[in-house]
Amino acid sequence: EIVLTQSPGTQSLSPGERATLSCRASQSVTSNYLAWYQQKPGQAPRLLIYGASSRATGIPDRFSGSGSGTDFILTISRLEPEDFAVYYCQQYGTSPLTFGAGTKVDIK
Amino acid sequence: QVQLQESGPGLVKPSQTLSLTCTVSGGSITSGSFYWSWIRQPAGKGLEWIGRIWTSVSTHYNPSLQSRLTISLDTSKNQFSLKLSSVTAADTAVYYCARAVPSKALDFWGYYFDSWGQGALVTVSS
Repeated sequence: EIVLTQSPGTQSLSPGERATLSCRASQSVTSNYLAWYQQKPGQAPRLLIYGASSRATGIPDRFSGSGSGTDFILTISRLEPEDFAVYYCQQYGTSPLTFGAGTKVDIK
Repeated sequence: QVQLQESGPGLVKPSQTLSLTCTVSGGSITSGSFYWSWIRQPAGKGLEWIGRIWTSVSTHYNPSLQSRLTISLDTSKNQFSLKLSSVTAADTAVYYCARAVPSKALDFWGYYFDSWGQGALVTVSS
């Protein structure tokens, strides 16, 4: 099974700042099939990025994904108040599908 | 726009079977373009993929749950269901149903989740 390690566990930032979230896989993610989700308290996750770098429908362009192989990054270029949340990565290139433990982005 | 809604008992006794149903609106579960999936999340913890179904005969389960798990479709009601047997306290979680987008990998059809239900809390307790 592919283990996804997300870092940092928590990132404390101010609105307007840039967030850089890391997702590292224990082995190469086939076809770079890596997705990112945002989850706010009491809500279901929301798809942000799929295929490592493709934005899902309706996702603002301040969200971008990059990386390949074992190292992936989610970047939020300028944090808006609604972006403070937990972010999860998920690999879907190999069975079983796995999620990372999440990175919380909170207000500094 | 597709919408998904989970329903089922919020409390299940240990050793019994957890049963949840997901009702899909705004799209047909027989369209063939999507998979229909379950994911769960214990309180304060991360997400765990449970499994998916595509047509009535194609399923893909998490190996850690496979021996206790059944996912099925009810096309007449545009619903799909989850049954997890022999539950313990470790199965207490919010259970989400989700629509999944398939993507061809080398020898495997992987998928990511583009639409989610709001989640249903299931507590396993006597």
